[in-house]
Amino acid sequence: GESVGLHLPTLSVQEGDNSIINCAYSNSASDYFIWYKQESGKGPQFIIDIRSNMDKRQGQRVTVLLNKTVKHLSLQIAATQPGDSAVYFCAETPPGNTPLVFGKGTRLSVIA
Amino acid sequence: GAVVSQHPSRVICKSGTSVKIECRSLDFQATTMFWYRQFPKKSLMLMATSNEGSKATYEQGVEKDKFLINHASLTLSTLTVTSAHPEDSSFYICSAIYTSTDTQYFGPGTRLTVL
Repeated sequence: GESVGLHLPTLSVQEGDNSIINCAYSNSASDYFIWYKQESGKGPQFIIDIRSNMDKRQGQRVTVLLNKTVKHLSLQIAATQPGDSAVYFCAETPPGNTPLVFGKGTRLSVIA
Repeated sequence: GAVVSQHPSRVICKSGTSVKIECRSLDFQATTMFWYRQFPKKSLMLMATSNEGSKATYEQGVEKDKFLINHASLTLSTLTVTSAHPEDSSFYICSAIYTSTDTQYFGPGTRLTVL
């Protein structure tokens, strides 16, 4: 059988459709969250962030939603383009000046 | 703004040699930088926190004598992999905190291959 963690979850979407990538974070006291995009062979690229006093933040073609009740974060990409194909990581900042904690990542594959 | 660079982008070395990787914040000062390691198809694993002017803080399981970190200035942190072995082959990524926004920006990564 296939071991958990060997393969990233994959989301396949048609070009032009909207994408929703979900993330469950671990620490209910985390107060700052970031979404990163990582293309193959490159470092993570900052996309959008949100603080815990907000539940929604919009950027250019991207929206982040935060549901603190269920410790859930989502990234919505409007009109997905081939250039959006990458692995997307959510990250949380626990309190106390501690480093970012990364989620497992989701691979977004855009079908032209 | 908030650009982080790494050098080299790719390095191949023989087993037993040491390799130095540089991480620079190009347009801002960073008192804190981080070093991560990433295996294929996996998330980033924090190795250590690099603090300017003081000793680095290593995560559990990371050998500080093998992965030497020096944060000599507010724009430069170096990671030296000493006596490298094939199992050290990985993608090493650094990041720096842009203090104006508390956002962490990442370098492009360094692919280390130890033969």
